[in-house]
Amino acid sequence: GQNIDQPTEMTATEGAIVQINCTYQTSGFNGLFWYQQHAGEAPTFLSYNVLDGLEEKGRFSSFLSRSKGYSYLLLKELQMKDSASYLCAVRDSNYQLIWGAGTKLIIKP
Amino acid sequence: IAGITQAPTSQILAAGRRMTLRCTQDMRHNAMYWYRQDLGLGLRLIHYSNTAGTTGKGEVPDGYSVSRANTDDFPLTLASAVPSQTSVYFCASSDGTSGGSDTQYFGPGTRLTVL
Repeated sequence: GQNIDQPTEMTATEGAIVQINCTYQTSGFNGLFWYQQHAGEAPTFLSYNVLDGLEEKGRFSSFLSRSKGYSYLLLKELQMKDSASYLCAVRDSNYQLIWGAGTKLIIKP
Repeated sequence: IAGITQAPTSQILAAGRRMTLRCTQDMRHNAMYWYRQDLGLGLRLIHYSNTAGTTGKGEVPDGYSVSRANTDDFPLTLASAVPSQTSVYFCASSDGTSGGSDTQYFGPGTRLTVL
């Protein structure tokens, strides 16, 4: 079967750095997405990786290793507004998105 | 309007009743999707449409139906609601022509409670 694993919850301190991991086992691979979802709101797109390596976008970076079936989202200079759930999703060989359950990130002052 | 709208925002429904959740997008996207999101589970695809006039079944289609009469609208119907359909429902759309990088954009969601 297809599977996306993420930690259920993480806690970090304002101003610090946090890394949210995602491991996947899917039938084929056509890219990996990260979305942010604030409580009670819709998921919003953060990043897309299809090649190995690090993609940087301001305070957020996303890394992919296809051989290891692994990605992480790195958030720097954490702000209180970064408190949210972070969803990892993989596009499989049928071009369907397979979603992880999400990681709830709690930021403490 | 800009983006995707969904209606209603929330609804409490008696079991056995019929209900249609509405979704409209103004981005001229080809593809549209319906997901449900339950606590502790990832987004699960109910139905999708790659282009107007076509629909397909996702991971959890039972008890739901959709139609895609035009590009903008993609309603989801529960023919006879059951308590297990209590969930938050998200509609999404994407260009549908970008292959692997095709990005989905989500509506604000409908919170449905079936009693």
